[in-house]
Amino acid sequence: GAVVSQHPSWVICKSGTSVKIECRSLDFQATTMFWYRQFPKQSLMLMATSNEGSKATYEQGVEKDKFLINHASLTLSTLTVTSAHPEDSSFYNCSALRTSEQFFGPGTRLTVL
Amino acid sequence: EDQVTQSPEALRLQEGESSSLNCSYTVSGLRGLFWYRQDPGKGPEFLFTLYSAGEEKEKERLKATLTKKESFLHITAPKPEDSATYLCAVQANDQKLVFGQGTRLTINP
Repeated sequence: GAVVSQHPSWVICKSGTSVKIECRSLDFQATTMFWYRQFPKQSLMLMATSNEGSKATYEQGVEKDKFLINHASLTLSTLTVTSAHPEDSSFYNCSALRTSEQFFGPGTRLTVL
Repeated sequence: EDQVTQSPEALRLQEGESSSLNCSYTVSGLRGLFWYRQDPGKGPEFLFTLYSAGEEKEKERLKATLTKKESFLHITAPKPEDSATYLCAVQANDQKLVFGQGTRLTINP
């Protein structure tokens, strides 16, 4: 158990466009999910905490108007990168909380041209 | 501020050569310490959670231990398929994870 999926696994887009990434917990319900960003050869940095039915909580320095998070059900959270720019190119990872443990999805590689 | 430091940054071993990875941490109110394995281009794969000093957990060739200031991931007789980046993270009362930089482990056949 504790399987988390992400879609898409990779995406290439033009500068100025918006990209939506989905995170699903497949075999359990998750009231809390987390979104991370990981630059090459660096560790995961928490961007925001996504709570089902309420507004996401963003970490310091993360623009909430640029990284829109929606957690509309107990198995789905989405991250939309609005007006993406090349500096947003990164590996985006989500995790879902089950009891006190976080289980991660496979990640999404975003490349903004 | 919660902080996690992992050492070494990179480690090369020969197949069968046992070693340990270190994770030092400072956190206000440790709820749990987590070890993950991450392969290139993939998300972290959960390995262990340790909750209190003195606790140990094992899985195949890996054993994780915890003290009040650090955790060790011991790898015994590693195989090439154990090559990966091993991440340590601490969780405080707010459920958030703070990750270390990771140790890139390479096992040569």
